[in-house]
Amino acid sequence: GAGVSQSPRYKVAKRGQDVALRCDPISGHVSLFWYQQALGQGPEFLTYFQNEAQLDKSGLPSDRFFAERPEGSVSTLKIQRTQQEDSAVYLCASRPTGMGQPQHFGDGTRLSIL
Amino acid sequence: RKEVEQDPGPFNVPEGATVAFNCTYSNSASQSFFWYRQDCRKEPKLLMSVYSSGNEDGRFTAQLNRASQYISLLIRDSKLSDSATYLCVVNIQESSYKLIFGSGTRLLVRP
Repeated sequence: GAGVSQSPRYKVAKRGQDVALRCDPISGHVSLFWYQQALGQGPEFLTYFQNEAQLDKSGLPSDRFFAERPEGSVSTLKIQRTQQEDSAVYLCASRPTGMGQPQHFGDGTRLSIL
Repeated sequence: RKEVEQDPGPFNVPEGATVAFNCTYSNSASQSFFWYRQDCRKEPKLLMSVYSSGNEDGRFTAQLNRASQYISLLIRDSKLSDSATYLCVVNIQESSYKLIFGSGTRLLVRP
């Protein structure tokens, strides 16, 4: 399809397990973003890639969160030793180059930690 | 204080009504402004960008007041399909394009 694709759509894990969330951006989009959205809140920025370079990871809540985009296309967000507070929707967005261009979001991965 | 603040609502209006949402942002260096729409359990989708001169897209009008750090969205002739959460969004750094979202304003349009 033409949009941002995320998988899995839903993920349930036990506390302490590691999880990996995948994002396939729109073809040709250089910029890729990860956001975390808690229930009833707006999305909160986690990290930003330009091609394969991670230029901003200031929003990652702890060192248990790690993101990569090794070939400048698909990105993976990994959460190690998951905690209940990690339960949220994780949204990926991509953006073409150019001033004022909007970000296009994927459907998100709904993560539940038991 | 949150960087982008919105009234959470809900705004409950009849079909055909005009409704306005407001949003304030705290960082005067903010560069770009957007309204996104988010349906329940769906991803945010761009509704419209907001320009300094104000802009209109059909029934939707967005205004920006940089001096007051205030953004508004006006919806005329509300439709049932307008029911959603409206997210006010600010981009502070053009170099990183990081978006700062408000918590959203929920709109319910009733028949």
